Amino acid sequence: QKEVEQDPGPLSVPEGAIVSLNCTYSNSAFQYFMWYRQYSRKGPELLMYTYSSGNKEDGRFTAQVDKSSKYISLFIRDSQPSDSATYLCAMRTGNTPLVFGKGTRLSVIA
Amino acid sequence: NAGVTQTPKFQVLKTGQSMTLQCAQDMNHNSMYWYRQDPGMGLRLIYYSASEGTTDKGEVPNGYNVSRLNKREFSLRLESAAPSQTSVYFCASSEWGEYQETQYFGPGTRLLVL
Repeated sequence: QKEVEQDPGPLSVPEGAIVSLNCTYSNSAFQYFMWYRQYSRKGPELLMYTYSSGNKEDGRFTAQVDKSSKYISLFIRDSQPSDSATYLCAMRTGNTPLVFGKGTRLSVIA
Repeated sequence: NAGVTQTPKFQVLKTGQSMTLQCAQDMNHNSMYWYRQDPGMGLRLIYYSASEGTTDKGEVPNGYNVSRLNKREFSLRLESAAPSQTSVYFCASSEWGEYQETQYFGPGTRLLVL
């Protein structure tokens, strides 16, 4: 079992929909949780981060971490065609490199 | 401020040829990374350098070598390329904030090994 599991999709939604992206993990020592967004033929860029459990909101994006279930989520409200990208979850312990999920490809259709 | 730059952008090699992928960052970051990205496999760490003068293996180091030339530059070398090394290679550098590490990625190098 890989340390981080992420459904690769693809996921296709209409403009304005609420999108839910998820990752599960097996290493209970992970403390730092991030979401990266990668547009086609570009490098990933940091979108959201959360330290330990809880929620974090930034505009239309909300990141949630449930350490008891080893489950993290990214919600996108009022999705836009410009949100079409691959979303990668990433996580780490205190002193080890990031471990990435495989990424979920999202298409928002106008 | 160019961020993370990579050269070349695209390369075609024949099996057995060697090449070096170059990476440089101008953000004064201590840590640098090399990843490969393959369809359905996500980002996999090849090597990383936590600070100038140190390098460590990642998840998939076989067939690669790295050099942290100075704080700015981190190169990845393929000594004898194989078709299995066909991939998109990303370099990244990072800084630590209060609770997070932000990795900044370059634009990638697309490598095709025939």
